[in-house]
Amino acid sequence: AQRVTQPEKLLSVFKGAPVELKCNYSYSGSPELFWYVQYSRQRLQLLLRHISRESIKGFTADLNKGETSFHLKKPFAQEEDSAMYYCALNYGGSQGNLIFGKGTKLSVKP
Amino acid sequence: SQTIHQWPATLVQPVGSPLSLECTVEGTSNPNLYWYRQAAGRGLQLLFYSVGIGQISSEVPQNLSASRPQDRQFILSSKKLLLSDSGFYLCAWSTGTIVSEAFFGQGTRLTVV
Repeated sequence: AQRVTQPEKLLSVFKGAPVELKCNYSYSGSPELFWYVQYSRQRLQLLLRHISRESIKGFTADLNKGETSFHLKKPFAQEEDSAMYYCALNYGGSQGNLIFGKGTKLSVKP
Repeated sequence: SQTIHQWPATLVQPVGSPLSLECTVEGTSNPNLYWYRQAAGRGLQLLFYSVGIGQISSEVPQNLSASRPQDRQFILSSKKLLLSDSGFYLCAWSTGTIVSEAFFGQGTRLTVV
């Protein structure tokens, strides 16, 4: 069965420190991977997607098919990065069914 | 532009009462529609998804059901609420392709007392 695992419930770092939010997935086909973010009192929204291969707000994520991972990284964390981060996997062929990990709460301290 | 409306924002219901949460999407046709439940420590759990009118898939067995009476309307229901149904419910839509972004509603905080 398809599964997304985020092993850390909470990640706390100081401002300026590097950040890595871990995500592993389980899927036999070729999935599309995403990171979603939910800032305090805001809607859950897309942060970045694998297919775009872009950096958003300084965050990047590389798909490692050998390790079935899609870790989210940022070299220098900012206080405004504090939020809940969800890794997501889209499968199901053209119908695009979306499942999420349990989320990691990132706290960036001043 | 596309928008998604979800209501009510908060709801307090007694155990055993029925439930109806509504979600509507504007500005797009034939979207994929989703109901998720968000709980602390359990993350974002997919409850139902729909790829078309009258087509509902359930991801987990539970006390809830979903219906899609119109193309852009998705309803989450229960005949008799349980205490364990308390939580934060999110509706979302996407264009249905494997690479498409999902857009989320503001959510409904349901408290069953």
